[in-house]
Amino acid sequence: DAKTTQPNSMESNEEEPVHLPCNHSTISGTDYIHWYRQLPSQGPEYVIHGLTSNVNNRMASLAIAEDRKSSTLILHRATLRDAAVYYCIVKTVLCLTNSKLTFGKGITLSVRP
Amino acid sequence: DAGVTQSPTHLIKTRGQHVTLRCSPISGHKSVSWYQQVLGQGPQFIFQYYEKEERGRGNFPDRFSARQFPNYSSELNVNALLLGDSALYLCASSLLLAGWNNEQFFGPGTRLTVL
Repeated sequence: DAKTTQPNSMESNEEEPVHLPCNHSTISGTDYIHWYRQLPSQGPEYVIHGLTSNVNNRMASLAIAEDRKSSTLILHRATLRDAAVYYCIVKTVLCLTNSKLTFGKGITLSVRP
Repeated sequence: DAGVTQSPTHLIKTRGQHVTLRCSPISGHKSVSWYQQVLGQGPQFIFQYYEKEERGRGNFPDRFSARQFPNYSSELNVNALLLGDSALYLCASSLLLAGWNNEQFFGPGTRLTVL
């Protein structure tokens, strides 16, 4: 799986949009970009994934750069419950033998009331 | 619907002992994966089992082993515990073996402390 680089931490204000960046310059054409988040004292949970086009779901939006070397997870209105560690994961699906996820350290998001 | 469940929640062991951690996947999910999360780090992949067969192994010593039962529940065993095995052990289940949209559902984890 391709390596990802994320800032260590980010702060935001409640009810404001948050943009969480991720660099993945070694991504290949068939690699998918996944985001998971881990709330305090819980296991990680899936947020969103994409390949080339921007993606939206009820939790967030994923904006993927045209060259696919970076992506941004967008939380449209941060709430206190969004305070968590967010992991950007690039997963190759060429080798469909397992579901292994390769986590980095992630970015710790703090939300101010 | 019940999510992924793990037991026990917390466990304290001493060096050299053996430990067994248990996981029940979401109903209908045939795949179970195990991850180790040391404080301050992201989870690290240990094993994946699908249809009772090992389908992936991470870079962990042979002291770590696992198995999956006919009801798709799973056990993770760690022998000869070391202080460095202290971590949160996470279980994840998924519907499929693999695939671009094969979402992993994680349990709350078992916190293992080795003294």
